[in-house]
Amino acid sequence: EAGVVQSPRYKIIEKKQPVAFWCNPISGHNTLYWYRQNLGQGPELLIRYENEEAVDDSQLPKDRFSAERLKGVDSTLKIQPAELGDSAVYLCASGGAGNTIYFGEGSWLTVV
Amino acid sequence: QKEVEQDPGPLSVPEGAIVSLNCTYSNSAFQYFMWYRQYSRKGPELLMYTYSSGNKEDGRFTAQVDKSSKYISLFIRDSQPSDSATYLCALPVNDMRFGAGTRLTVKP
Repeated sequence: EAGVVQSPRYKIIEKKQPVAFWCNPISGHNTLYWYRQNLGQGPELLIRYENEEAVDDSQLPKDRFSAERLKGVDSTLKIQPAELGDSAVYLCASGGAGNTIYFGEGSWLTVV
Repeated sequence: QKEVEQDPGPLSVPEGAIVSLNCTYSNSAFQYFMWYRQYSRKGPELLMYTYSSGNKEDGRFTAQVDKSSKYISLFIRDSQPSDSATYLCALPVNDMRFGAGTRLTVKP
């Protein structure tokens, strides 16, 4: 069974430029999460989807971040414009029934 | 106070040592307790989960939960260099709440 797939794995951009990350969850998983992980810290939730509905986006900085999950499968997370402090790992995860969630390998963003 | 507190280390031990990793939490609503392992440049992977107080063993790994003191532990017996990673405790509510992670290095 394929796991959570994320792209790109690594991205270096200049500040004020836009960037987008893509995620394909595990087949059949209705719940999709985007987390951000700063160096030396644990992942922190940005947004959670149940199917195509964003049920928790309270931690998403809405002035520059946006996300969508069309058709309740793939999801895209966008940052526009990027700031230096956005340098982090952006992790997508998905979950089905039960409490466990499964992560992709992450998208490493460096803003210079 | 953070919901989940974890000493970030780093922790360095010789091969074969017993490793103890710990977290405390503040919210009594947490019912499930999980440990994720994260290798460098990789996403976290689920290592173990437990529901109740007490111990759960899986090979060289033992997860321990003490709900009365809101304290969870992960023990690694006979540690190996391949165990070198960051270990994250995680507690699910509607999403997963993570500790800061403890970076472990097992030296040959």
